[in-house]
Amino acid sequence: NAGVTQTPKFQVLKTGQSMTLQCAQDMNHEYMSWYRQDPGMGLRLIHYSVGAGITDQGEVPNGYNVSRSTTEDFPLRLLSAAPSQTSVYFCASSYSQGVYNEQFFGPGTRLTVL
Amino acid sequence: AQSVTQLDSQVPVFEEAPVELRCNYSSSVSVYLFWYVQYPNQGLQLLLKYLSGSTLVKGINGFEAEFNKSQTSFHLRKPSVHISDTAEYFCAVTRRRMDTGRRALTFGSGTRLQVQP
Repeated sequence: NAGVTQTPKFQVLKTGQSMTLQCAQDMNHEYMSWYRQDPGMGLRLIHYSVGAGITDQGEVPNGYNVSRSTTEDFPLRLLSAAPSQTSVYFCASSYSQGVYNEQFFGPGTRLTVL
Repeated sequence: AQSVTQLDSQVPVFEEAPVELRCNYSSSVSVYLFWYVQYPNQGLQLLLKYLSGSTLVKGINGFEAEFNKSQTSFHLRKPSVHISDTAEYFCAVTRRRMDTGRRALTFGSGTRLQVQP
């Protein structure tokens, strides 16, 4: 199993540009989520999905869109990038929505917005 | 609302010394508690978790944590650290969102453990 994969690893954008961060998992997990990691702030939940076709907002959803057309994929879209979105983004998945289940994390995408 | 406080942003320690990384949470209801580790340039991986039962929880790589309900703490300990334990450690707790009623993980700000030879 590849586990949770994320592409790209690094990305530099200009303010106002759009892009999609890709996330895929091959463990047949129902639950997937996106976090951003900023220095001194830990991880904050952006959006999550409890299954194909179902998504919900997390703590910091503004400026991001998600969709879940398949169990495997959960892309994160930045509609109009802003410098405040400079961060490291992690995708995670788990067997079910139950938060007592272990979450498996991808290696992260480091995004810089100029 | 639940929150997680990791009091120490950095903890330097010498190899083979014991270490304790502190975590306190605020909650008046039952919680699930976790410790995750992030090695340099990698994603997070689960070290251990407390769901119920024994308050002393053992995890991978020789780490353990003790759930203390009266002090609302979940400190992580290791009796003898190795250079390879150098990493960032995150405490996390479940949180029930007020708007949806659904539970979600809330992470602390992290503690960077620096093991020196």
